[in-house]
This record gives sequence, C-alpha cells and structure tokens, in this order.
Amino acid sequence: QVQLQESGPGLVKPSETLSLTCTVSGGSVSSGSYYWSWIRQPPGKGLEWIGYIYYSGSTNYNPSLKSRVTISVDTSKNQFSLKLSSVTAADTAVYYCARRAGTTEAYYFDYWGQGTLVTVSS
Amino acid sequence: SYVLTQPPSVSVAPGKTARITCGGNNIGSKSVHWYQQKPGQAPVLVIYYDSDRPSGIPERFSGSNSGNTATLTISRVEAGDEADYYCQVWDSSSDHPNVVFGGGTKLTVL
Repeated sequence: QVQLQESGPGLVKPSETLSLTCTVSGGSVSSGSYYWSWIRQPPGKGLEWIGYIYYSGSTNYNPSLKSRVTISVDTSKNQFSLKLSSVTAADTAVYYCARRAGTTEAYYFDYWGQGTLVTVSS
Repeated sequence: SYVLTQPPSVSVAPGKTARITCGGNNIGSKSVHWYQQKPGQAPVLVIYYDSDRPSGIPERFSGSNSGNTATLTISRVEAGDEADYYCQVWDSSSDHPNVVFGGGTKLTVL
C-alpha cells in the first residue's frame, strides 16, 4: 500500500518561500509508471492542482502558479518537494501530495497524503 | 482554459439515488475522474476513466460521461456518503496541458 506524508513549516511569512516535502513509502518515486504531484485547497474552497514531477526531473506546472513554483525529486530519499516563492495570504491552504496515475491524457490521482495546513501570516 | 461546472449542493434521502453532474465543453471526449472528500480528510478516488471503480469502492458508486455532462451516481445512499465530491479531467486543449478540477458538490444526506 503506497503512503504519502507531507512535512514542513505550518506558518510562513508573507513574501517568503513555502517549502514542503512529501515522503513516499510502500512504493518508489523512481517508478516509471507514475508522476508525483502537489495539490492545494484553500480553507473552505476547492482543489487546485499545483504541478507534478517525474523521477527524471521532468515537470509540469499550473500556468497560474508557474512563475513561483519549483518541484524537485530526491530518488535517494524517496521524496519530492515543493517550493512556492513570494507567498501571500492567498497561498494559505492545505497542501496535499499525491501520486498521478493513468494513461495519456487521462491522468488521475490514486493516492494522496493526509495534507498539511500552511498559513501565510506575519 | 477548460472549465468544469458542478452544482454547489445536492440533497438526497437515505436509500435513494444521488446524481452529481459535472459539465464541460464536449466533456464526453475526455476521461473524467471523481473524488470524495469528507471533512478534515484527504480526497479519495471513487471513479476513474468515467466509470471504473478502484478496489474497495462500493458498487453503489458509478459514473457516466457523454456530450457535455459527466455524472456520478450513488445508489442506495447512506449517511456515510455525505461529503464533498469533485470531478477532474486532464485538459490538453490549450498550449499548456493542465489538470482541471470542478468546483465541488456538497452531498447532504437528509
């Protein structure tokens, strides 16, 4: 059973960089069948896809966040990470990591972490 | 960019059938996936590829997709089905392929 666990600071100051890590167990980020994703959910609102990464380092980001987002992978630690720069209160959300599965142009998210709340406040 | 439209809320009595729609331009040409999210919990995949159920999801959950509307159907609704439901597609129609979620539907069991 694949499990994902987010970790990182729960409070970030405005204009600083949000950094989170997702640790994968029961599976390998080096598996060629999957991409590894970040998704967020502002309090009381819907889901927003942030981006995903392949074990090779290939990435794809949400165009609305692309200028501020960096996703990286560390295969030796079986982890992948998110950095979101120049944060504002609008970036306050529960951040989920998830595994992207599926076939070409039919991708879905089959395993999710429990989520971690990140609050942007001074 | 591609937009998915869901009704904000759907109410149903226990034992009845709930239908949650997800509208999008020619959505029938895409694969639609559905997630259930209970308060304070992460989303759970309940339907993928329009109508397939992951292991462990009850047969009461089914999906269909045609034309401009995809539908998640929950038969014999139980109190434990009360949750938010989100549809999702992969949109490759623009210059930048993108994951798109619907706004979510709150299912209330009366």
